[in-house]
Amino acid sequence: DVKVTQSSRYLVKRTGEKVFLECVQDMDHENMFWYRQDPGLGLRLIYFSYDVKMKEKGDIPEGYSVSREKKERFSLILESASTNQTSMYLCASRRDANYGYTFGSGTRLTVV
Amino acid sequence: AQSVTQPDIHITVSEGASLELRCNYSYGATPYLFWYVQSPGQGLQLLLKYFSGDTLVQGIKGFEAEFKRSQSSFNLRKPSVHWSDAAEYFCAVAGGYNKLIFGAGTRLAVHP
Repeated sequence: DVKVTQSSRYLVKRTGEKVFLECVQDMDHENMFWYRQDPGLGLRLIYFSYDVKMKEKGDIPEGYSVSREKKERFSLILESASTNQTSMYLCASRRDANYGYTFGSGTRLTVV
Repeated sequence: AQSVTQPDIHITVSEGASLELRCNYSYGATPYLFWYVQSPGQGLQLLLKYFSGDTLVQGIKGFEAEFKRSQSSFNLRKPSVHWSDAAEYFCAVAGGYNKLIFGAGTRLAVHP
């Protein structure tokens, strides 16, 4: 079975800290995505990548950056965490347009 | 602009009753459509997808969905709901770059 692994289920960080959220997939997928999920807003796309070292902004990229040095790993970086970045973060990967996404279990981040 | 609307934020049904969750989309071309389910504290699991062909799509866990182009809808149905179906359900449409655009979600509660 396809698997997407997010390294942390729960994180608590302080305002101003630099935060790394890690995501690893074992399926050799080209496309990887980071979403945040907030009640009543559904999932909103932060960044995505369609190849190693390639990245594209999603709908809400402000305050975030990403890194994809290897095909299997896609990292989300909060340069200076703020309380409004408290949220559930979901990573996903996808082989191509003929397939659905596979999601990780999510990381619930709290910024205090 | 591409968008997905799920008109019902919360739905409550009795166990054994039928279920229909509504989804309307806005997309210029032939859409790729998806339904995902999220149990509490978990990532999203793909229930079913529509790419082309038969407009009635069968998925996992006894769910089905019908694509109606004239109504820009992709409603999810189940003939008899089980208590374990209580979860949040998300409809999504595939945009450019394999991005998924999600609706805000419908939270389903099941009464015994």
